[in-house]
Amino acid sequence: AQSVTQLDSQVPVFEEAPVELRCNYSSSVSVYLFWYVQYPNQGLQLLLKYLSGSTLVKGINGFEAEFNKSQTSFHLRKPSVHISDTAEYFCAVSNITGAQKLVFGQGTRLTINP
Amino acid sequence: EAQVTQNPRYLITVTGKKLTVTCSQNMNHEYMSWYRQDPGLGLRQIYYSMNVEVTDKGDVPEGYKVSRKEKRNFPLILESPSPNQTSLYFCASSLSAGAGREQYFGPGTRLTVT
Repeated sequence: AQSVTQLDSQVPVFEEAPVELRCNYSSSVSVYLFWYVQYPNQGLQLLLKYLSGSTLVKGINGFEAEFNKSQTSFHLRKPSVHISDTAEYFCAVSNITGAQKLVFGQGTRLTINP
Repeated sequence: EAQVTQNPRYLITVTGKKLTVTCSQNMNHEYMSWYRQDPGLGLRQIYYSMNVEVTDKGDVPEGYKVSRKEKRNFPLILESPSPNQTSLYFCASSLSAGAGREQYFGPGTRLTVT
């Protein structure tokens, strides 16, 4: 079984500042890793995913994440945030074999202040 | 436009009154899934379907039913809703059940059971 822990439930930052949203996972098998974003009153959409290869993954809207197998982490970063990045961010994992099933973290609410 | 639609978007009902939340996708996806989102818990899978007439339980299936008679539709049925089913519900679909595929989410249905 897998589990995901997002270490911060809320992260307030000022516009144009850098941000890091932290995600740690636990699994006895190899996993794929995902970050999804939920804008206010909308469904989730995929920001980026790690399946294999380079551990630095680039996604939409200037976000990137780095997979660290030894620390079982997949932290999300953006060098300069905008007001429009205000949203809830979910880290998720899935087993690389068998049927697709996403296990989500608790979510991190990112608030951008002007 | 490729999308997942859910209806209704908002629903207030009373304990014990059967209800159905519809989900439809127009992308010819094989895999569909229902999640509930609760504060501090992230998203948890209720049921999933790998194809027509193939459904299985997720992590929190108690009190819910599903059916998959057509590829595009995956309704969620609450035969006797209870207040602990008050939540935000998301339907999602994916091209196939293979791990690593992006899931596309509907806009959500906010259910209140009094």
